[in-house]
Amino acid sequence: GDSVTQTEGLVTLTEGLPVMLNCTYQSTYSPFLFWYVQHLNEAPKLLLKSFTDNKRPEHQGFHATLHKSSSSFHLQKSSAQLSDSALYYCALRSPNNNNAPRFGAGTKLSVKP
Amino acid sequence: GALVYQYPRRTICKSGTSMRMECQAVGFQATSVAWYRQSPQKTFELIALSTVNSAIKYEQNFTQEKFPISHPNLSFSSMTVLNAYLEDRGLYLCGANRASQNTLYFGAGTRLSVL
Repeated sequence: GDSVTQTEGLVTLTEGLPVMLNCTYQSTYSPFLFWYVQHLNEAPKLLLKSFTDNKRPEHQGFHATLHKSSSSFHLQKSSAQLSDSALYYCALRSPNNNNAPRFGAGTKLSVKP
Repeated sequence: GALVYQYPRRTICKSGTSMRMECQAVGFQATSVAWYRQSPQKTFELIALSTVNSAIKYEQNFTQEKFPISHPNLSFSSMTVLNAYLEDRGLYLCGANRASQNTLYFGAGTRLSVL
C-alpha cells in the first residue's frame, strides 16, 4: 500500500540557515505529493503540492521537487525564519479520487534566533 | 477562500459515553470528507473517507460501529465516537476535499479528552 516516510522527528536550525525536510514515499501508482504545515493550535494548512507536469511548486519561500527516480519530495527553503517553526507533514494521494491522503509522521521544525 | 469549521474545538467525555463532532465546509463544495485522528506521538491516522452518494470507506482498525459518519450534503459532515475510552483521545481532524483542486482543506480539529 501507499506510505510516506519522514525520517526526522525534530529539526533545529538557526535563523537564516537553509531548511531541508526529508520525505520519501512508496506507491504503486504515480501519486500526488503534498506538504502541510501545522502551527500550534491551528489547522494543518496546505503548503505545496506536486504538479503532474514536473513544475517545481513554490510557496512562502518553500519549494519541493518530485523525484520519481528516488521517490522523494523533500521540502526546502533557502533561509529559515523564526515564523517557520511548526510541524510539517508530507502526504501522498493516489491518482484514484476515491482515496484520502496518507500522511508521514511529521517533522517538527524549530528555528532559533 | 476555502474554510473548514469544526465544532466543538474541545470536549471532555466520561469513559463509555459518546461524543459527536461536526465539520462544515464554507465557500466551496466538499465532494468528499476525510476524518483523521492525530494522537500524541502519532501522525494522522485516517479513520474514513466519506463521499457524497457513495459508501463510506473505513480504514483498518476503524469501524462504522465505533465511528459512525453522516455526510448528508456537500457542505456538512459529522462523526460520532461511540463508547469512548482512553485510547480514543486525540485531535480529530476533518479534511474537506475541494474537487476543483483535488486538495484537502482541514478544520482546526476537535480535541477529545476522555475521563
